Amino acid sequence: DVKVTQSSRYLVKRTGEKVFLECVQDMDHENMFWYRQDPGLGLRLIYFSYDVKMKEKGDIPEGYSVSREKKERFSLILESASTNQTSMYLCASSSTPTVNEKLFFGSGTQLSVL
Amino acid sequence: AQKITQTQPGMFVQEKEAVTLDCTYDTSDPSYGLFWYKQPSSGEMIFLIYQGSYDQQNATEGRYSLNFQKARKSANLVISASQLGDSAMYFCAMREVPSGSARQLTFGSGTQLTVLP
Repeated sequence: DVKVTQSSRYLVKRTGEKVFLECVQDMDHENMFWYRQDPGLGLRLIYFSYDVKMKEKGDIPEGYSVSREKKERFSLILESASTNQTSMYLCASSSTPTVNEKLFFGSGTQLSVL
Repeated sequence: AQKITQTQPGMFVQEKEAVTLDCTYDTSDPSYGLFWYKQPSSGEMIFLIYQGSYDQQNATEGRYSLNFQKARKSANLVISASQLGDSAMYFCAMREVPSGSARQLTFGSGTQLTVLP
């Protein structure tokens, strides 16, 4: 089974801190994604990557950056955390970009910025 | 404009009964895929079912079926014989296939389903 692992289930940070959310997948998937989940808004795509060192902005990239130095690892970075970034963050991966390719998700990181 | 619309923020169903979760979508691409995911309280998103835009038959996976009405742009999820373990948030999602954006899924806002004993 595909395993997507997010490093923390719960995280509490202070406003202005630099925050790293880590995601690792073990199935050699080319594509990796970071989504943000908020009540009433569903999941919104922040960034995705289709290859090592490649990244593309999603729908809400402002305030975030990403890093993909190795194929299995995709990091989401909040350069200076703000309270409006309090949210559930979900990492996902997939292999070939065909229309029916499903995403495999991690368990999520609930980030609270105080 | 919203690409995926789920109009039911919350639904209740009695155990062993069937329930339909609504999803409408908006796309001008002829080729697209529709997905349903389940998110229990543990947080992990679980893939349930997939329907391709060119599929002639409605998709089925065990107790899950997708009522695909292409002309109406709807892709409702039907859960038969509900179980207590079906209580979760359900998300409808779509992948469109123009070049350059074939990889991402666009999600709806979700429906919280509660199964009553």
